Amino acid sequence: EDQVTQSPEALRLQEGESSSLNCSYTVSGLRGLFWYRQDPGKGPEFLFTLYSAGEEKEKERLKATLTKKESFLHITAPKPEDSATYLCAVLLGNEKLTFGTGTRLTIIP
Amino acid sequence: ETGVTQSPTHLIKTRGQQVTLRCSSQSGHNTVSWYQQALGQGPQFIFQYYREEENGRGNFPPRFSGLQFPNYSSELNVNALELDDSALYLCASSKGGTDTQYFGPGTRLTVL
Repeated sequence: EDQVTQSPEALRLQEGESSSLNCSYTVSGLRGLFWYRQDPGKGPEFLFTLYSAGEEKEKERLKATLTKKESFLHITAPKPEDSATYLCAVLLGNEKLTFGTGTRLTIIP
Repeated sequence: ETGVTQSPTHLIKTRGQQVTLRCSSQSGHNTVSWYQQALGQGPQFIFQYYREEENGRGNFPPRFSGLQFPNYSSELNVNALELDDSALYLCASSKGGTDTQYFGPGTRLTVL
C-alpha cells in the first residue's frame, strides 16, 4: 500500500536553530513530491515540487531535497513566522495526491 | 491572477442533512481536486474532475459526489451527513498531469 510518513510529528526550535523535517515514502510510480505549508484553519500553501532523485529546490530559509525513498525539508535560521504545519505529499499515476500527517513546527523567539 | 476560492467559509449542519460546497479554480486551470482534512491529519483525496468528467476517486462512499462546470468551477455534494463528516474540505486546482495543485482556503463543515 502506498504510504507517506513524516517525522517528527512536532518540533520546537529556538529562533535561529536550524533543523530538518523528513518525509519518507513507499509508493510505486512516483510522479512528483510536493511540500506545502499550512497555517491553522487555512488551506495548504505550495512551497516546492520535486520530480527526480537528486533534485533540490530553495526558497528563502527553506531547502527541499529528494532521494529515491525520502525527502528532507531543511530550515536554516528559522524565524517565528516559520511556525506552521509542513505537509509532504506524493503524486501517483492516478493523479491523486497522498499526504503525510505533517510536522508541526514551532519557532520560539 | 485570482487564486482558488471556496464558499462558504463555515457551515453547520445536522446529521442526515445534505450540503453543497463550492470552488472556483485558479485562472487557466482545468482540473479540480477535492480533499477532506480531519483535525490533526493530512488531507485525504475525495475525487478529481478534469474537463467536467470525474478523473479518479479516493475511498469515499457514493454519498460524496461532485460536478465540474464549463468554466471549471466545481461543487462537492455530501448526502446523509454523518458526524464523522465534520472536517475542513479543501479544493485544489491545477493544469492537470503532474502540475502543482494550488489549494483554496477551505470550508469548515461541522455536523451536529
